[in-house]
Amino acid sequence: DVVVTQSPLSLPVALGQSASISCRSSRSLVYSDGNTYLSWFQQRPGQSPRRLVYKVSNRDSGVADRLSGSGSGTDFTLKISSVEAEDVGVYYCMQGTHWPHTFGQGTKLEI
Amino acid sequence: EVQLVDSGGGLVQPGGSLRLSCAASGFTFSGSWMGWVRQTPGTGLEWVANISPDGNTKYYVDSVRGRFSISRDNAKNSLSLQMDTLRAEDTAVYHCARGGALLDYWGQGTLVAVSS
Repeated sequence: DVVVTQSPLSLPVALGQSASISCRSSRSLVYSDGNTYLSWFQQRPGQSPRRLVYKVSNRDSGVADRLSGSGSGTDFTLKISSVEAEDVGVYYCMQGTHWPHTFGQGTKLEI
Repeated sequence: EVQLVDSGGGLVQPGGSLRLSCAASGFTFSGSWMGWVRQTPGTGLEWVANISPDGNTKYYVDSVRGRFSISRDNAKNSLSLQMDTLRAEDTAVYHCARGGALLDYWGQGTLVAVSS
């Protein structure tokens, strides 16, 4: 299985400061169709995960443009340019290129 | 609005069976890959099974292959997961999910606890 490794696992951030989460995979996530199926999710306490970004850098509808995804191949990053209170939660990356699709361990962002 | 409502979880003894269901609405169910993802405090998030829009293609994670069976009824907009020979390590919150590689929406989850 493709191993997806996130860092850091805990991310204390002050309001207004920037935050960055790394996601690395044990194999390239470029699929045969040329797409890279790497997504980011946020899970707030007591809620199901919500997708934020898909195919590396495409923001979902309603997601603040303070959030941005980047990367290629095996190395990916989620950046939050100016952290707000609503950003608190656990962030997961997920690769959908290889079966079984696998998730990172999660990064807990706290203020 | 996309809605996925999971149900069917509960407490079951090791070796027992359980059937999870998911009622979908707000999108074209028959045109969507669907799956089940489970979540535990210890092991995090794990894809369990995936099924193609027509139901003919199914994928399972190794740990459940041969014990779990995913199915769908496109006429009723419903997804199911039949879980047999349950083990303690299957204890988790199970989420119905839309999509495969492009998983986007999740159900609220239903708790499965395997214990004697």
